[in-house]
Amino acid sequence: DIQMTQSPSSLSASVGDRVTITCRASQSISRYLNWYQQRPGKAPKLLIYAASSLQSGVPSRFSGSGSGTDFTLTISSLQPEDFATYYCQQSYSTPPWTFGPGTKVEIK
Amino acid sequence: EVQLVESGGGLVQPGGSLRLSCAASGFTFSTYDMHWVRQATGKGLEWVSTIGTSGDTYYPGSVKGRFTISRENAKNSLYLHMNSLRAGDTAVYYCARVSYYDSSGYYYWYFDLWGRGTLVTVSS
Repeated sequence: DIQMTQSPSSLSASVGDRVTITCRASQSISRYLNWYQQRPGKAPKLLIYAASSLQSGVPSRFSGSGSGTDFTLTISSLQPEDFATYYCQQSYSTPPWTFGPGTKVEIK
Repeated sequence: EVQLVESGGGLVQPGGSLRLSCAASGFTFSTYDMHWVRQATGKGLEWVSTIGTSGDTYYPGSVKGRFTISRENAKNSLYLHMNSLRAGDTAVYYCARVSYYDSSGYYYWYFDLWGRGTLVTVSS
């Protein structure tokens, strides 16, 4: 099975900051990488699919990049509603559908 | 409105059974693969099961032989039958729809629609 890791596990940032989250796969997954946002008490929400494609309705301050084993999610200017936990997920070799452990973005 | 709504969660004793339901609306349910994903309190997301449009099913080792996913397209409904429940199965259970992006014959799959979840608590 493909294992996913994320770093950092949590970070503190201020409104307006540029934030970068990293996701790494245990083997090459080409661009089969998705990003989800989960606000407290809510269901996950798709942000990015195929490593860099923005889901409809998602603000353009979110962007994704990478291929192979290393990927990043960038929030160009952090907004109050972006404080949440972010998960990566691989869809290269399924099942199983594996998620990263999450990165919690907190208010500084 | 395009949505998924889970139901059926609750408190169950270890070794007990429970059936979760997921009602789909606003889209052609029969044409989508569907999944269950769970999340223990304060923990990450864990894939639990998949059912394809043809009824093919998949499970991780942690639930295989205990959980059964099924669907009833005429009722736009997805189910998860859970047997031999353990404390470690305590979690919020989400149903999710899978869509894909076709890039020159390469299919990139992703979970684009999620329900709000239903809480399952396994405790004596």
